Amino acid sequence: ETGVTQTPRHLVMGMTNKKSLKCEQHLGHNAMYWYKQSAKKPLELMFVYSLEERVENNSVPSRFSPECPNSSHLFLHLHTLQPEDSALYLCASSQRTAMNTEAFFGQGTRLTVV
Amino acid sequence: AQSVTQLDSHVSVSEGTPVLLRCNYSSSYSPSLFWYVQHPNKGLQLLLKYTSAATLVKGINGFEAEFKKSETSFHLTKPSAHMSDAAEYFCVVGDFGNEKLTFGTGTRLTIIP
Repeated sequence: ETGVTQTPRHLVMGMTNKKSLKCEQHLGHNAMYWYKQSAKKPLELMFVYSLEERVENNSVPSRFSPECPNSSHLFLHLHTLQPEDSALYLCASSQRTAMNTEAFFGQGTRLTVV
Repeated sequence: AQSVTQLDSHVSVSEGTPVLLRCNYSSSYSPSLFWYVQHPNKGLQLLLKYTSAATLVKGINGFEAEFKKSETSFHLTKPSAHMSDAAEYFCVVGDFGNEKLTFGTGTRLTIIP
């Protein structure tokens, strides 16, 4: 148990569906992240939220829409996805300070787009 | 800009023998370096981290890594492999303040009984 909880663990959706991934951290951290993990590719940083403000958006298509209502919760809203969006989506949190701290990861949501 | 290269995509060792997973990094600043492990269908778990203190870093489950600035390396080692060590291992570099972590492509470690 890392203190970062993701739901659902598995999701199958059609290309016309709308769904949301949820992430909750219980560590008191002030930054949260969405990563995409595809087979045989490095982990891709999608979004960074610091103090509930989006500070990074790595050219992610608009069919992915993040939301951070408070410092403990992060959502990823999905609509009109493509089959190539099938991947493991990982949420992470960290405490952003002048010193370097590690990110704590959830167990991920395995997304399959059909 | 920062980058990290994991030199082996797959490493196989026999149970009870040493493990060496290689990582080289590039960073414009004094880097932070991490090793994470991912077991099947699990998230990433931190094994150890280097943050400019001691160059030899000890982590969980008997793993350790040595920061060598002259070689820009941060190789992960373990004296004796256990079956439970079979997993994917990621070397990660973070810049000062860690606003952005850059992940390597991973090394899959297989343990032969």
